[in-house]
Amino acid sequence: NAGVMQNPRHLVRRRGQEARLRCSPMKGHSHVYWYRQLPEEGLKFMVYLQKENIIDESGMPKERFSAEFPKEGPSILRIQQVVRGDSAAYFCASSGNTEAFFGQGTRLTVV
Amino acid sequence: AQSVTQLGSHVSVSEGALVLLRCNYSSSVPPYLFWYVQYPNQGLQLLLKYTSAATLVKGINGFEAEFKKSETSFHLTKPSAHMSDAAEYFCAVSDSNTGTASKLTFGTGTRLQVTL
Repeated sequence: NAGVMQNPRHLVRRRGQEARLRCSPMKGHSHVYWYRQLPEEGLKFMVYLQKENIIDESGMPKERFSAEFPKEGPSILRIQQVVRGDSAAYFCASSGNTEAFFGQGTRLTVV
Repeated sequence: AQSVTQLGSHVSVSEGALVLLRCNYSSSVPPYLFWYVQYPNQGLQLLLKYTSAATLVKGINGFEAEFKKSETSFHLTKPSAHMSDAAEYFCAVSDSNTGTASKLTFGTGTRLQVTL
């Protein structure tokens, strides 16, 4: 049973470009969470999704950020018009009826 | 609203010494509490969790934590540190009342260094 898979592991984007981060949850898991970790800080909740539904997006910035978890395929975190402050590690977690399991993260660098 | 405070952003112990990483929480509902470990450039791995069963929780790699409601604490301990324990440790609280994972609020982390 593969764990939570995130890709890419590293992503470099120029300011103004779009970043797409993908997360495939563990088999059988229907809950997906996205977190952001800024340098030297803990993880901050961004959004919680179930299949085709956003359950809680209270941690998402109001602009440029969006997330989806379609019926088929991975969850996508999309950042439009990236700025240097978006540089961070983005972690996805999935859960079924137990605790969350985390992916290895995508490290986004905006240059 | 929930919050987690981890006292000490860096802790250094000698190999074989006791490890104590502190975590205090704030929650308006009965909390579910977690400790995660993060190795460099890796994701988070669950060490242990408290979900209102026994107050002393045993986890992987010899770690354990005790939930103390009166002190709103959930400190992580290990009797004897090993070099492989060097990592970043995060305490987290959840507002789930079903024992399932939900939105986690993390502390800022404690970096554990183990010296010879």
